[in-house]
Amino acid sequence: SQTIHQWPATLVQPVGSPLSLECTVEGTSNPNLYWYRQAAGRGLQLLFYSVGIGQISSEVPQNLSASRPQDRQFILSSKKLLLSDSGFYLCAWSGASGTLYEQYFGPGTRLTVT
Amino acid sequence: AQTVTQSQPEMSVQEAETVTLSCTYDTSENNYYLFWYKQPPSRQMILVIRQEAYKQQNATENRFSVNFQKAAKSFSLKISDSQLGDTAMYFCAFMKLNSGNTPLVFGKGTRLSVIA
Repeated sequence: SQTIHQWPATLVQPVGSPLSLECTVEGTSNPNLYWYRQAAGRGLQLLFYSVGIGQISSEVPQNLSASRPQDRQFILSSKKLLLSDSGFYLCAWSGASGTLYEQYFGPGTRLTVT
Repeated sequence: AQTVTQSQPEMSVQEAETVTLSCTYDTSENNYYLFWYKQPPSRQMILVIRQEAYKQQNATENRFSVNFQKAAKSFSLKISDSQLGDTAMYFCAFMKLNSGNTPLVFGKGTRLSVIA
């Protein structure tokens, strides 16, 4: 069966510091991968998605970036965090194009920028 | 662009009763999927049910069922025999179908409280 991991689970970082959140998927190959952010009391905002290694689509211009160095690894980064980057970050996967349309989510990372 | 609207920010229901959560969407697409996700206090997003737009039959999963009205662009979720564990945020989501999968568009959610 497939599983999705995210770490760290919680993170407190000062403004201006760098960020690296990691997401990995097990039990499947060539998944589509997604990063979402959920601000307090609000819905999910899509940040990035990837249909393959090195293929990243950005949905919202911001100081965040994403990379996919391996087939089942998706990384969310920032060189300098802003207060507005605080939130709950969720990684999700779905099957390769044309299969398994459902998205399955990881446990999330709670980021607090101070 | 597609939009998803959940007009009920909060709802409550007595244990063992039935509750219906509303969702409407706006799209010019003809081929798409609709989903309901549950987010309990742990904040793990859990897929509850999905509906393919080309299917007329409403999807059901145990105590969860949907009322899909394609012409009205409505996709409500009915929870029967509500249980305390159903307390959560519920999100309606839309996905259009192209040659490949596309990202989900979420509503803002409905907070459901099941009362003993």
